[in-house]
Amino acid sequence: QKEVEQDPGPLSVPEGAIVSLNCTYSNSAFQYFMWYRQYSRKGPELLMYTYSSGNKEDGRFTAQVDKSSKYISLFIRDSQPSDSATYLCAMMDTGRRALTFGSGTRLQVQP
Amino acid sequence: IAGITQAPTSQILAAGRRMTLRCTQDMRHNAMYWYRQDLGLGLRLIHYSNTAGTTGKGEVPDGYSVSRANTDDFPLTLASAVPSQTSVYFCASSDGTATQYFGPGTRLTVL
Repeated sequence: QKEVEQDPGPLSVPEGAIVSLNCTYSNSAFQYFMWYRQYSRKGPELLMYTYSSGNKEDGRFTAQVDKSSKYISLFIRDSQPSDSATYLCAMMDTGRRALTFGSGTRLQVQP
Repeated sequence: IAGITQAPTSQILAAGRRMTLRCTQDMRHNAMYWYRQDLGLGLRLIHYSNTAGTTGKGEVPDGYSVSRANTDDFPLTLASAVPSQTSVYFCASSDGTATQYFGPGTRLTVL
């Protein structure tokens, strides 16, 4: 079983929809939780970063971490065609200093 | 500011050949990483370096070697390429926080 599980999609939504992307994990030592966005044939770019449990909001994006359920989410409000990309969750424990990634969810926002 | 540059952008290589993927960063980050990205498997850590002069093995190090002679450069060498090393390779760096910054990637095909 992988340490981090992520539904690969693809997820197709109409423009303006609210998008929910999720990851589950098994390693209780993870303390740092990140979401990266990756456009086709590009490198991943950091979107959101959360330490431990709780919510974090940045514009149209909200990241949630529920450590008791080992479950993290990324919500995108008022989705735009420019949000079409692959979204990767990533996690890190304080000891290793290396990221463990989910396999990524491909999102397509239809105009 | 360029951030992280990788070369070559893409390469087709015969099995058994030696290949070095180059990575250079201009952010003066101490930590650098090499990942490979394969469909359905996400990003997996190959090798890392916490500071110049030190390196460590990641999740999938076999068949790869790295060196870190200075802060800016972190080359990845395939001593004798095999078809299973066909992948997209990403270099990343970190300023010591949980955030990692990625390069644009090298698309490698081993025939």
